[in-house]
Amino acid sequence: GQNIDQPTEMTATEGAIVQINCTYQTSGFNGLFWYQQHAGEAPTFLSYNVLDGLEEKGRFSSFLSRSKGYSYLLLKELQMKDSASYLCALSGAGSYQLTFGKGTKLSVIP
Amino acid sequence: DGGITQSPKYLFRKEGQNVTLSCEQNLNHDAMYWYRQDPGQGLRLIYYSQIVNDFQKGDIAEGYSVSREKKESFPLTVTSAQKNPTAFYLCASHRTTGGGYKNIQYFGAGTRLSVL
Repeated sequence: GQNIDQPTEMTATEGAIVQINCTYQTSGFNGLFWYQQHAGEAPTFLSYNVLDGLEEKGRFSSFLSRSKGYSYLLLKELQMKDSASYLCALSGAGSYQLTFGKGTKLSVIP
Repeated sequence: DGGITQSPKYLFRKEGQNVTLSCEQNLNHDAMYWYRQDPGQGLRLIYYSQIVNDFQKGDIAEGYSVSREKKESFPLTVTSAQKNPTAFYLCASHRTTGGGYKNIQYFGAGTRLSVL
C-alpha cells in the first residue's frame, strides 16, 4: 500500500515563500502529483515529478527525492488567491491510479 | 470548450433511495474515475474505468455502482446500501494514448450529496 503524509494546515504572509512538504511510504510508484483545490471546487493540476529534482513552473516549483521518500511544493510571491488546499498524490507503479494525501490547507494572510 | 461536466451540483437523497450522479467528458479520454471526498480527508477512489464496457472497484466501492456504456459517460449510482453517502463526489478522466505524460487526471466541478 501507499501511505502519504502532509501537514494539515499552514499559514503564510502575502508576498512570502512557503514550502509544503509531502512524505510517503510506498513499495513503488511512477510519479508524484501536486493539485490545488479551492474550497468547494475541483482539484486542478499543478505539477508532476517523475525524476528526482526540481520542476519549476512560474511561481510554483515541486521537488522529488525518491531515496528520501519526500517531495515539496514551493510557492513564491504568495498571493491571497493561493489560499487553498494542496494535495499530494502518488501514481501507482504499473497503474494509472492515484493515491491522495489528506491535503494541506494553506491560508495566506495580508 | 473541452472539459468534464458533473451534474447536478447539489443532490439530496432520501432514506432508501438510489440516486445517480452524472459525469460527461468531451476530452476523448479513455480512463474515467469516481472519487469521494469527506471533510479533512483526501480523495478516495470509488470506481474507475480504463475502457468502455469495463470498470473496476476502487478502495470504497461498497454501496455504489457504475456503468460505462459510452466513452464520454461514466455515471455513478449511490445505492440505499451506502449508509453514509453525504460527501463531495468528484469525477476525473485522463488519456491513455499519445506522447507525453498520459496519467494527468482532470476533474469535474463535483456534486455535493446530502441525506434528507
